[in-house]
Amino acid sequence: NAGVTQTPKFRVLKTGQSMTLLCAQDMNHEYMYWYRQDPGMGLRLIHYSVGEGTTAKGEVPDGYNVSRLKKQNFLLGLESAAPSQTSVYFCASSYPLAVFSYEQYFGPGTRLTVT
Amino acid sequence: RKEVEQDPGPFNVPEGATVAFNCTYSNSASQSFFWYRQDCRKEPKLLMSVYSSGNEDGRFTAQLNRASQYISLLIRDSKLSDSATYLCVVNREGDTGFQKLVFGTGTRLLVSP
Repeated sequence: NAGVTQTPKFRVLKTGQSMTLLCAQDMNHEYMYWYRQDPGMGLRLIHYSVGEGTTAKGEVPDGYNVSRLKKQNFLLGLESAAPSQTSVYFCASSYPLAVFSYEQYFGPGTRLTVT
Repeated sequence: RKEVEQDPGPFNVPEGATVAFNCTYSNSASQSFFWYRQDCRKEPKLLMSVYSSGNEDGRFTAQLNRASQYISLLIRDSKLSDSATYLCVVNREGDTGFQKLVFGTGTRLLVSP
């Protein structure tokens, strides 16, 4: 049982390049999320998905796209990377959030640098 | 004003000490509260939920004060392994009714021998 995995762990991009971050979970969770974490900013929600084939915007969606073609996978795409997208990206998954069930399980993160 | 505010620290304490962190939140509609722990360069993990009546898990005690909108975490008998960043987390309901988690920036704890 691997939990939540992320690929790649590290990446350096040049401005304008594109890439896709892959998140996979084996816990049969309905909900999946992409966050970015920057110094002094805390975790910020980029996009999320409440089920296969559905996605929605979070707090900071600009410059990112996502897809959830399979329940276990959630992809985050950067079409044209910018230095402002240098960050640590975390994927998370959970059961549907409810008053007594808010735990999110996080992947190990992807450290992205855009030069 | 940030929705969840924490003292960034670091809090430097010796082994065996008791240390407490506070966190304030601005959304009075928040109903669920949590402490997550994040080790250096690792992912956040749930430490404990915070209930209205307060709750304890071993050396860790969490309290909630709804009137003043703050949450606290008390760690007794600190261990070296407690060194980490502690994230205060509250829920927020979005426009579509979707419940989101709002993360504070964290309080860093360093426990020394």
